[in-house]
Amino acid sequence: NAGVTQTPKFRVLKTGQSMTLLCAQDMNHEYMYWYRQDPGMGLRLIHYSVGEGTTAKGEVPDGYNVSRLKKQNFLLGLESAAPSQTSVYFCASSLWGNQPQHFGDGTRLSIL
Amino acid sequence: QQQVKQSPQSLIVQKGGISIINCAYENTAFDYFPWYQQFPGKGPALLIAIRPDVSEKKEGRFTISFNKSAKQFSLHIMDSQPGDSATYFCAASMQGTGNQFYFGTGTSLTVIP
Repeated sequence: NAGVTQTPKFRVLKTGQSMTLLCAQDMNHEYMYWYRQDPGMGLRLIHYSVGEGTTAKGEVPDGYNVSRLKKQNFLLGLESAAPSQTSVYFCASSLWGNQPQHFGDGTRLSIL
Repeated sequence: QQQVKQSPQSLIVQKGGISIINCAYENTAFDYFPWYQQFPGKGPALLIAIRPDVSEKKEGRFTISFNKSAKQFSLHIMDSQPGDSATYFCAASMQGTGNQFYFGTGTSLTVIP
């Protein structure tokens, strides 16, 4: 039972490049979330999904897009990377809302 | 605007001592208050959680104290051990669309042997 798996674990991009971060969960959870973690700011919600085919904006959605075509996968896209998007990105899932969230080990992304 | 305010930012405790981390919130609609533990290079892991119908919850050496009228909750780590050295985050969420978690800014705990 892998839980929440994030790929890649590390990535370096140049400003303006695009990329997709993949999150996969094997717990049959309905809800999935993307957070970014920056020093001194805790975790901030980027986008979330309450079920297959649904997405919604969180606290800091600008510059990101998401898709949830399959229940077990939640993709986070950066269309034109900016240095301000240098961060550690965490994916999480929960069975339903207002339930414990289970986190992956993060993707460390640097934008040069 | 920070929905959940956490203090202190860092904490150093002797082995065997008590570690106390505090959080405060404003939104009275919050009804789920988890604490997460994070080790370097890893994702946050649920440590313990409480709902506002109880004032205290204990699991092993970890206790959450909840004061609904003051809109505050705290994590107490009894008999702190070097292995407890990590970053701790409090969070709050409410019923509703998305059930977003609002996280505190984290407390870096160091337990000295």
